[in-house]
Amino acid sequence: AQTVTQSQPEMSVQEAETVTLSCTYDTSESDYYLFWYKQPPSRQMILVIRQEAYKQQNATENRFSVNFQKAAKSFSLKISDSQLGDAAMYFCAYRGTGANSKLTFGKGITLSVRP
Amino acid sequence: DGGITQSPKYLFRKEGQNVTLSCEQNLNHDAMYWYRQDPGQGLRLIYYSQIVNDFQKGDIAEGYSVSREKKESFPLTVTSAQKNPTAFYLCASSRRQISYNEQFFGPGTRLTVL
Repeated sequence: AQTVTQSQPEMSVQEAETVTLSCTYDTSESDYYLFWYKQPPSRQMILVIRQEAYKQQNATENRFSVNFQKAAKSFSLKISDSQLGDAAMYFCAYRGTGANSKLTFGKGITLSVRP
Repeated sequence: DGGITQSPKYLFRKEGQNVTLSCEQNLNHDAMYWYRQDPGQGLRLIYYSQIVNDFQKGDIAEGYSVSREKKESFPLTVTSAQKNPTAFYLCASSRRQISYNEQFFGPGTRLTVL
């Protein structure tokens, strides 16, 4: 079974600075998808960024980018120019490519942004 | 506005009572999902449905039941057999049960069993 590990329960960043959130996963599959979801205090889950394992290029969405290291099974999220609105829980998630594959989430990390 | 609605936002029930959580989507999505979120835990999959009148158990289906009579609706019943039902419940949907498709989430229902 696939597992997703987010070992840091909390992190803090100064506004306008850069922060990196770590995620590792375990799988025997060669093709899969990785996601970062954001859950702000409203608790509405929002997709931040998505990475296809077969793509070597790291995904980027505005201030959000990932560092995908397939061999190391690592998928970290970098937030540049942090804003107060970035304060939230962030979940890393994995999904295989099988017809009945499900989304497996890590336990999440709480990010606080200091003004 | 297209989206997913869950009602109510907060729900209180007495121990031993069944309770049904509502989930409706107007995104024309085929697949729908129910997750449970507990403090310090990620989201855990309870049930999912890829098409109308079909659904599959997720990782923690015991004590829960679902139905999918309409494409737009996927209600979850928390039965008295669920030993620890107090939690935050999230419903999601996606265009199809395909790995790269984004799952869109509803605002959630906080269930407290007294």
